[in-house]
Amino acid sequence: GQNIDQPTEMTATEGAIVQINCTYQTSGFNGLFWYQQHAGEAPTFLSYNVLDGLEEKGRFSSFLSRSKGYSYLLLKELQMKDSASYLCAVRDSNYQLIWGAGTKLIIKP
Amino acid sequence: IAGITQAPTSQILAAGRRMTLRCTQDMRHNAMYWYRQDLGLGLRLIHYSNTAGTTGKGEVPDGYSVSRANTDDFPLTLASAVPSQTSVYFCASSALAGDNTGELFFGEGSRLTVL
Repeated sequence: GQNIDQPTEMTATEGAIVQINCTYQTSGFNGLFWYQQHAGEAPTFLSYNVLDGLEEKGRFSSFLSRSKGYSYLLLKELQMKDSASYLCAVRDSNYQLIWGAGTKLIIKP
Repeated sequence: IAGITQAPTSQILAAGRRMTLRCTQDMRHNAMYWYRQDLGLGLRLIHYSNTAGTTGKGEVPDGYSVSRANTDDFPLTLASAVPSQTSVYFCASSALAGDNTGELFFGEGSRLTVL
């Protein structure tokens, strides 16, 4: 079966760096997405990786290793507004998205 | 402002009643999706449509139906609601063409409670 694994919850301190990992086993691979979802709101797009390596976008970076079925989202200079759930999703060979359950990130002052 | 509009935002429904969740997008995206989100689970695809006039079943289609009469609208119908359909429902769209990533744009969600 297809599976996306990510930690349920993480805690970090304001101003620090946090890395949220995602491992996947899917039928084919056509890209990996990270979305941010604040409580009670809709998910919003953060990043997309289809080739191995690091994609940087401001304070957020996302890394992909297709051979290891692994990605991480790196958040630098954490701010209180970064408290949210972070969803990892993989697009499979049928171009359907398989979603992880999300990682709830708690930022403490 | 371009985007996706869902209605209603929230609804309490008696079991056995019929309910239609509305979804409209103005981005001219060809693909649209309905997901449900439950605590502790990832987003689960109910139905999708890759283009107007076509629909497909997702991971959890039972008890739900959809139609795609035109590009903009993608309503989700619960023919006879059951308590297990209590959830938050998200409509989404994407442009499946060209060099774009195919990222999904989500509506604000519809919180449905079936009693």
